[in-house]
Amino acid sequence: SQQGEEDPQALSIQEGENATMNCSYKTSINNLQWYRQNSGRGLVHLILIRSNEREKHSGRLRVTLDTSKKSSSLLITASRAADTASYFCATDGGGADGLTFGKGTHLIIQP
Amino acid sequence: NAGVTQTPKFQVLKTGQSMTLQCAQDMNHEYMSWYRQDPGMGLRLIHYSVGAGITDQGEVPNGYNVSRSTTEDFPLRLLLAAPSQTSVYFCASSYSQGTNYTFGSGTRLTVV
Repeated sequence: SQQGEEDPQALSIQEGENATMNCSYKTSINNLQWYRQNSGRGLVHLILIRSNEREKHSGRLRVTLDTSKKSSSLLITASRAADTASYFCATDGGGADGLTFGKGTHLIIQP
Repeated sequence: NAGVTQTPKFQVLKTGQSMTLQCAQDMNHEYMSWYRQDPGMGLRLIHYSVGAGITDQGEVPNGYNVSRSTTEDFPLRLLLAAPSQTSVYFCASSYSQGTNYTFGSGTRLTVV
């Protein structure tokens, strides 16, 4: 069963705008990770945030984590056409079975 | 480094046939896993392995077998293919539990 649930399911914005995607989950976690998947390709790791962290940056990406609300957000600033992809959050509950993925947000950047 | 290599990239099977999806990694990662991705369903865990000789079932293991005789290889076997196994299959590896995954490029399987 899915642990993380992304919102929105789809998002279309103009190039240069910021894109925000949210992820909610149900049980306690050790860390939460965000991945990108371009059409027809494998998933690529973007960022990992641990349960004792509240915010993390990587280039144009900013991830926040609120463990009290069991939610995370991914912000992509100054979006580019190349950012068009599906974005997945994945939670690591610390068990041997590893990551549980959400269904993803499909992001389209309009030129 | 090649990372995680999956073969084949595409495969069409007839119902009842069997086949093995190959997965190999050259990063000396202990942890490997297999997921299937279906439209609107995200990724679901089929089987995983925390090291050579150790495997366990994930969320959707029925109809699949795995083995882990070496650190590098983690093949997924479809025993009696069924149309419900039509999907895109991804292999992933990580250095250890609690770290990020590296994914292969996927195998697109169609069972007719």
